[in-house]
Amino acid sequence: KAGVTQTPRYLIKTRGQQVTLSCSPISGHRSVSWYQQTPGQGLQFLFEYFSETQRNKGNFPGRFSGRQFSNSRSEMNVSTLELGDSALYLCASRYRPGQGAETQYFGPGTRLLVL
Amino acid sequence: QKEVEQNSGPLSVPEGAIASLNCTYSDRGSQSFFWYRQYSGKSPELIMFIYSNGDKEDGRFTAQLNKASQYVSLLIRDSQPSDSATYLCAVNSAGGTSYGKLTFGQGTILTVHP
Repeated sequence: KAGVTQTPRYLIKTRGQQVTLSCSPISGHRSVSWYQQTPGQGLQFLFEYFSETQRNKGNFPGRFSGRQFSNSRSEMNVSTLELGDSALYLCASRYRPGQGAETQYFGPGTRLLVL
Repeated sequence: QKEVEQNSGPLSVPEGAIASLNCTYSDRGSQSFFWYRQYSGKSPELIMFIYSNGDKEDGRFTAQLNKASQYVSLLIRDSQPSDSATYLCAVNSAGGTSYGKLTFGQGTILTVHP
Protein backbone atom coordinates (compact mmCIF):
# COMPACT_ATOMS: atom_id res chain seq x y z
CA LYS A 1 0.00 0.00 0.00
CA ALA A 2 1.48 3.36 -0.96
CA GLY A 3 2.19 5.79 1.85
CA VAL A 4 1.34 9.42 2.23
CA THR A 5 2.76 11.46 -0.63
CA GLN A 6 3.56 15.13 -0.60
CA THR A 7 4.47 17.39 -3.48
CA PRO A 8 6.64 19.17 -4.09
CA ARG A 9 9.38 17.86 -1.82
CA TYR A 10 11.42 21.05 -1.93
CA LEU A 11 10.42 24.59 -2.69
CA ILE A 12 12.14 27.98 -2.71
CA LYS A 13 10.04 31.13 -2.62
CA THR A 14 10.64 34.79 -1.88
CA ARG A 15 8.97 36.94 0.73
CA GLY A 16 5.52 38.13 -0.22
CA GLN A 17 4.80 35.24 -2.57
CA GLN A 18 2.25 32.56 -1.91
CA VAL A 19 2.70 28.81 -2.00
CA THR A 20 0.47 25.75 -2.32
CA LEU A 21 1.50 22.36 -1.00
CA SER A 22 -0.23 19.11 -1.81
CA CYS A 23 -0.83 15.94 0.16
CA SER A 24 -2.29 12.64 -1.03
CA PRO A 25 -3.28 10.39 1.89
CA ILE A 26 -2.91 6.64 2.09
CA SER A 27 -5.59 4.96 0.01
CA GLY A 28 -8.78 4.72 2.05
CA HIS A 29 -7.69 7.35 4.57
CA ARG A 30 -10.07 10.26 4.72
CA SER A 31 -8.55 12.43 7.44
CA VAL A 32 -5.58 14.67 6.69
CA SER A 33 -3.65 16.77 9.19
CA TRP A 34 -0.96 19.33 8.51
CA TYR A 35 1.99 20.23 10.72
CA GLN A 36 4.80 22.76 10.54
CA GLN A 37 8.25 21.91 11.88
CA THR A 38 10.88 24.57 12.52
CA PRO A 39 14.07 24.45 14.62
CA GLY A 40 12.75 27.17 16.91
CA GLN A 41 9.13 26.16 17.45
CA GLY A 42 9.35 22.44 16.83
CA LEU A 43 6.48 20.49 15.36
CA GLN A 44 3.18 22.38 15.50
CA PHE A 45 -0.31 21.40 14.42
CA LEU A 46 -1.82 23.52 11.65
CA PHE A 47 -5.22 21.95 10.88
CA GLU A 48 -7.08 18.74 10.17
CA TYR A 49 -9.56 18.01 7.39
CA PHE A 50 -12.13 15.29 7.07
CA SER A 51 -14.90 15.01 4.50
CA GLU A 52 -13.77 18.27 2.92
CA THR A 53 -14.34 20.14 6.20
CA GLN A 54 -11.79 21.62 8.57
CA ARG A 55 -12.28 19.83 11.89
CA ASN A 56 -9.60 21.38 14.04
CA LYS A 57 -7.21 24.28 13.77
CA GLY A 58 -3.94 25.20 15.43
CA ASN A 59 -2.74 28.62 16.46
CA PHE A 60 -1.54 30.02 13.15
CA PRO A 61 -2.42 33.27 11.38
CA GLY A 62 -5.02 33.41 8.66
CA ARG A 63 -2.28 33.40 6.01
CA PHE A 64 -2.27 29.65 6.49
CA SER A 65 -5.25 27.94 4.94
CA GLY A 66 -6.15 24.57 3.59
CA ARG A 67 -8.77 22.56 1.84
CA GLN A 68 -9.65 18.99 1.09
CA PHE A 69 -11.09 17.54 -2.07
CA SER A 70 -13.69 14.83 -2.51
CA ASN A 71 -10.93 12.26 -3.16
CA SER A 72 -9.42 13.17 0.26
CA ARG A 73 -6.38 14.86 -1.24
CA SER A 74 -5.54 18.03 0.62
CA GLU A 75 -3.76 21.25 -0.13
CA MET A 76 -2.45 23.92 2.16
CA ASN A 77 -1.75 27.46 1.10
CA VAL A 78 0.43 30.09 2.68
CA SER A 79 -0.06 33.61 1.41
CA THR A 80 2.28 36.59 1.78
CA LEU A 81 5.22 34.44 2.75
CA GLU A 82 7.52 35.55 5.54
CA LEU A 83 11.06 34.41 6.31
CA GLY A 84 9.74 32.63 9.38
CA ASP A 85 7.56 30.40 7.23
CA SER A 86 10.67 28.49 6.18
CA ALA A 87 10.00 25.05 7.55
CA LEU A 88 9.30 21.42 6.92
CA TYR A 89 5.58 21.00 6.28
CA LEU A 90 4.31 17.57 7.16
CA CYS A 91 1.07 15.96 6.21
CA ALA A 92 -0.38 13.01 8.11
CA SER A 93 -3.31 10.80 7.25
CA ARG A 94 -5.55 8.33 9.02
CA TYR A 95 -8.76 6.59 8.16
CA ARG A 96 -11.06 8.90 10.10
CA PRO A 97 -10.92 11.27 13.08
CA GLY A 98 -12.55 8.76 15.41
CA GLN A 99 -9.44 6.63 15.35
CA GLY A 100 -6.58 7.24 17.74
CA ALA A 101 -3.56 9.20 16.61
CA GLU A 102 -1.55 5.97 16.67
CA THR A 103 -3.21 5.13 13.37
CA GLN A 104 -1.84 8.30 11.80
CA TYR A 105 1.02 8.16 9.30
CA PHE A 106 3.24 11.03 8.29
CA GLY A 107 4.31 11.83 4.76
CA PRO A 108 7.91 12.72 3.83
CA GLY A 109 7.25 16.44 4.07
CA THR A 110 7.76 19.49 1.89
CA ARG A 111 10.74 21.61 2.78
CA LEU A 112 9.99 25.27 2.10
CA LEU A 113 12.68 27.91 2.06
CA VAL A 114 11.62 31.54 1.96
CA LEU A 115 14.27 34.02 0.83
CA GLN B 1 5.35 27.09 30.50
CA LYS B 2 5.35 24.95 27.39
CA GLU B 3 2.55 22.44 27.04
CA VAL B 4 4.92 19.52 26.46
CA GLU B 5 8.49 19.69 27.68
CA GLN B 6 11.45 17.48 26.97
CA ASN B 7 15.14 17.74 27.74
CA SER B 8 16.68 18.80 24.46
CA GLY B 9 19.85 16.86 25.16
CA PRO B 10 21.89 15.77 23.47
CA LEU B 11 21.75 12.55 25.40
CA SER B 12 24.72 10.34 24.73
CA VAL B 13 24.82 6.69 25.76
CA PRO B 14 27.17 3.84 24.92
CA GLU B 15 26.02 0.98 22.75
CA GLY B 16 24.18 -1.65 24.78
CA ALA B 17 23.15 0.77 27.54
CA ILE B 18 19.66 1.91 28.50
CA ALA B 19 18.61 5.30 27.16
CA SER B 20 16.01 7.13 29.23
CA LEU B 21 13.98 9.92 27.67
CA ASN B 22 11.60 12.06 29.68
CA CYS B 23 8.61 14.25 28.94
CA THR B 24 6.24 16.32 31.07
CA TYR B 25 2.95 17.86 30.01
CA SER B 26 0.80 20.60 31.45
CA ASP B 27 -2.75 19.65 30.44
CA ARG B 28 -4.24 17.31 33.05
CA GLY B 29 -6.95 16.41 30.55
CA SER B 30 -4.42 14.74 28.25
CA GLN B 31 -5.45 11.22 27.47
CA SER B 32 -3.04 9.69 24.98
CA PHE B 33 0.70 9.90 24.67
CA PHE B 34 3.07 9.12 21.85
CA TRP B 35 6.76 8.74 21.18
CA TYR B 36 8.08 9.40 17.70
CA ARG B 37 11.55 8.88 16.33
CA GLN B 38 12.82 11.28 13.70
CA TYR B 39 16.01 10.77 11.76
CA SER B 40 17.68 13.83 10.31
CA GLY B 41 15.88 14.98 7.19
CA LYS B 42 13.08 12.44 7.60
CA SER B 43 9.52 12.57 8.87
CA PRO B 44 8.53 11.35 12.36
CA GLU B 45 7.90 7.65 12.83
CA LEU B 46 5.67 6.40 15.64
CA ILE B 47 7.45 3.95 17.93
CA MET B 48 5.23 3.79 21.02
CA PHE B 49 1.91 5.00 22.30
CA ILE B 50 0.32 4.68 25.73
CA TYR B 51 -3.08 5.52 27.14
CA SER B 52 -3.06 4.09 30.68
CA ASN B 53 -0.90 4.62 33.73
CA GLY B 54 1.95 2.16 34.05
CA ASP B 55 4.37 0.55 31.66
CA LYS B 56 3.94 -0.63 28.12
CA GLU B 57 6.64 -2.71 26.50
CA ASP B 58 7.33 -3.37 22.82
CA GLY B 59 10.61 -5.08 22.04
CA ARG B 60 13.46 -2.95 23.29
CA PHE B 61 11.15 -0.02 24.00
CA THR B 62 9.17 0.66 27.18
CA ALA B 63 6.86 3.61 27.61
CA GLN B 64 5.95 4.67 31.14
CA LEU B 65 3.05 6.94 32.05
CA ASN B 66 2.24 8.62 35.34
CA LYS B 67 -0.79 10.85 34.93
CA ALA B 68 -0.72 12.08 38.53
CA SER B 69 2.77 13.46 37.96
CA GLN B 70 1.99 14.40 34.34
CA TYR B 71 5.03 12.53 33.23
CA VAL B 72 5.74 10.11 30.42
CA SER B 73 9.04 8.43 29.62
CA LEU B 74 10.61 6.17 27.05
CA LEU B 75 13.26 3.60 27.85
CA ILE B 76 15.35 2.07 25.11
CA ARG B 77 17.17 -1.05 26.21
CA ASP B 78 20.28 -2.41 24.52
CA SER B 79 20.71 0.88 22.64
CA GLN B 80 22.15 0.61 19.15
CA PRO B 81 23.88 3.23 16.99
CA SER B 82 20.84 3.01 14.69
CA ASP B 83 18.75 4.41 17.57
CA SER B 84 20.59 7.73 17.22
CA ALA B 85 17.85 10.18 16.30
CA THR B 86 15.61 12.87 17.71
CA TYR B 87 12.83 11.51 19.91
CA LEU B 88 9.62 13.49 20.03
CA CYS B 89 7.04 13.23 22.77
CA ALA B 90 3.48 14.07 21.68
CA VAL B 91 0.24 14.44 23.58
CA ASN B 92 -3.38 14.35 22.46
CA SER B 93 -5.27 16.43 24.95
CA ALA B 94 -8.71 15.70 23.63
CA GLY B 95 -8.43 11.96 23.77
CA GLY B 96 -7.34 9.34 21.32
CA THR B 97 -10.69 9.15 19.62
CA SER B 98 -10.93 12.81 18.82
CA TYR B 99 -9.49 14.85 16.04
CA GLY B 100 -5.85 14.66 15.13
CA LYS B 101 -4.33 17.56 17.05
CA LEU B 102 -1.09 16.38 18.58
CA THR B 103 1.01 18.70 20.74
CA PHE B 104 4.71 17.93 20.45
CA GLY B 105 7.68 18.57 22.66
CA GLN B 106 10.85 20.07 21.24
CA GLY B 107 12.48 16.66 21.01
CA THR B 108 15.50 15.01 22.63
CA ILE B 109 18.53 14.27 20.51
CA LEU B 110 19.90 10.82 21.32
CA THR B 111 23.35 9.68 20.27
CA VAL B 112 24.40 6.07 20.79
CA HIS B 113 28.15 5.68 20.43
CA PRO B 114 29.86 2.36 19.70
